[in-house]
Amino acid sequence: DTGVSQNPRHKITKRGQNVTFRCDPISEHNRLYWYRQTLGQGPEFLTYFQNEAQLEKSRLLSDRFSAERPKGSFSTLEIQRTEQGDSAMYLCASSPMETQYFGPGTRLLVL
Amino acid sequence: GESVGLHLPTLSVQEGDNSIINCAYSNSASDYFIWYKQESGKGPQFIIDIRSNMDKRQGQRVTVLLNKTVKHLSLQIAATQPGDSAVYFCAETERSNYQLIWGAGTKLIIKP
Repeated sequence: DTGVSQNPRHKITKRGQNVTFRCDPISEHNRLYWYRQTLGQGPEFLTYFQNEAQLEKSRLLSDRFSAERPKGSFSTLEIQRTEQGDSAMYLCASSPMETQYFGPGTRLLVL
Repeated sequence: GESVGLHLPTLSVQEGDNSIINCAYSNSASDYFIWYKQESGKGPQFIIDIRSNMDKRQGQRVTVLLNKTVKHLSLQIAATQPGDSAVYFCAETERSNYQLIWGAGTKLIIKP
């Protein structure tokens, strides 16, 4: 399968713990995006990378959130000191140009 | 808020009939539009796209129509099948801008 992959697919954590998610984009896609999605809503943009450079961060991305794409390939999204409001599906997408292709998502539940 | 988002617009269609899902987009400067299909627990799946220099584009069993005058986009699914059950989102962007603007989503239910 050469699509976008995300790990883990599900994560349950206790409030206050740190979590890290990984995204492997489609090979040779230089653009990578992170989104958050809650039930019944469209995806909300979090951040965007072109190669290894993080070019934009949403105001939704508080200082507890950090994302990296160190070698311009895979990316990680870390949430520190998780809160119950962080419970959501975290989606990664990649694109060569404007068409974004999404991974299966990581569903986070904060207890 | 989230309680509003839970009440997704819903379209119920008889299996075998055609489905038409509508979307009003917001940005007059948008020049690229995409339809995504999202099944429960999965990420959005690309279905079809259209650029603003076109008003119609056809794929396999799907057609997208674009009316720039009234900023309206529609997705037509021919001979709807049970596997078409999902939430459908339209998204718009300016090709010079990486950010997608998402529509509200429509839940498609197929009646046997």
